Amino acid sequence: EAGVAQSPRYKIIEKRQSVAFWCNPISGHATLYWYQQILGQGPKLLIQFQNNGVVDDSQLPKDRFSAERLKGVDSTLKIQPAKLEDSAVYLCASSLRRDSADTQYFGPGTRLTVL
Amino acid sequence: ILNVEQSPQSLHVQEGDSTNFTCSFPSSNFYALHWYRWETAKSPEALFVMTLNGDEKKKGRISATLNTKEGYSYLYIKGSQPEDSATYLCAVNSGAGSYQLTFGKGTKLSVIP
Repeated sequence: EAGVAQSPRYKIIEKRQSVAFWCNPISGHATLYWYQQILGQGPKLLIQFQNNGVVDDSQLPKDRFSAERLKGVDSTLKIQPAKLEDSAVYLCASSLRRDSADTQYFGPGTRLTVL
Repeated sequence: ILNVEQSPQSLHVQEGDSTNFTCSFPSSNFYALHWYRWETAKSPEALFVMTLNGDEKKKGRISATLNTKEGYSYLYIKGSQPEDSATYLCAVNSGAGSYQLTFGKGTKLSVIP
């Protein structure tokens, strides 16, 4: 079974530039998550999709971050414009169901550096 | 916001030693607890999902226990090996209509050959 795929693995940009990350979840997984992990902290949920609908985006900075999951499969997370404090690892995860006792499977993450 | 604490923040052990770390969380409104292992440059790997008070789970040399009444979980590694070196993350969901997992900051384990 193929795992969660993410690209790119690394990205370096200047502040005020835009950046986009892509995620392909495990086939058949209805729920998809984007997390932000800042150095020294635990991953923080940014947004959760159930199929192509948003379940929870309460911690997404909506003035600069956006995400979509077209057709309920792949997802894209965008930052526009980036700030220095957005430097972090962005993790995508998927699970079979929308149940917090369901195992979440993670991709390798995208390490973003904002200069 | 749920407060999930992990201790210690980091530790170094000799190969062959056994070790354990703690995840603490509010004992009220508990629904599920997850343990993950995250090696550098790799994807976080799911170890255990625990939901019931008194749960004990085992995977090879790694095991975990859960006490929901007092709000903690222990992760044990028996006979540590260099390949066990990783950050171990704990994540908790409180239920109450939320599907969100709240992660601790992790325990970074280094096993010295």
